[in-house]
Amino acid sequence: QKEVEQNSGPLSVPEGAIASLNCTYSDRGSQSFFWYRQYSGKSPELIMFIYSNGDKEDGRFTAQLNKASQYVSLLIRDSQPSDSATYLCAVSPSGSARQLTFGSGTQLTVLP
Amino acid sequence: KAGVTQTPRYLIKTRGQQVTLSCSPISGHRSVSWYQQTPGQGLQFLFEYFSETQRNKGNFPGRFSGRQFSNSRSEMNVSTLELGDSALYLCASSLGHELNGEQFFGPGTRLTVL
Repeated sequence: QKEVEQNSGPLSVPEGAIASLNCTYSDRGSQSFFWYRQYSGKSPELIMFIYSNGDKEDGRFTAQLNKASQYVSLLIRDSQPSDSATYLCAVSPSGSARQLTFGSGTQLTVLP
Repeated sequence: KAGVTQTPRYLIKTRGQQVTLSCSPISGHRSVSWYQQTPGQGLQFLFEYFSETQRNKGNFPGRFSGRQFSNSRSEMNVSTLELGDSALYLCASSLGHELNGEQFFGPGTRLTVL
């Protein structure tokens, strides 16, 4: 079983819609959760992080964490074509905040 | 504030050679982590350095090594290169002293082993 699993996609949504990206993790002691966006040929860019159960909003992005279900998600509201990228979920285990385990990524395409 | 810089951006080597990659973190950041990204395995953690000490290590063979200097710049070295070492090598910098550390990636070094 993979330690961090994401719905592999690809995921296509029309412009203006809500894109929902999901991630589950196996290490119940995981402390920190990150969402990175990676454009083709570029390096990952940090867009959201969440440490506590619940929702965290930043502009059009909302991260949701449910530690009991070992589930973290990213919602992108009012999706734009410029949001088209691969979204990577990353989890750090307890005691090793910077040793990130990444999911395989979900490729998102926002159709104009 | 300048971001994370990595040099060189591209490298071509042959099997058996060794290579050294360099990473300069964001000013004030003391932690540097290295990752390997391949199409088959995705992004995998190599190691993390903080205050010139290796603090965490991933599941890679001993051919992969690194170090950090007093100015927080870091280098990683891969010896006896294999074809499977062809990858994008990314370094990420963070402040390093907090529990929940956000990491910021550099542009990467793309290594091709022929």
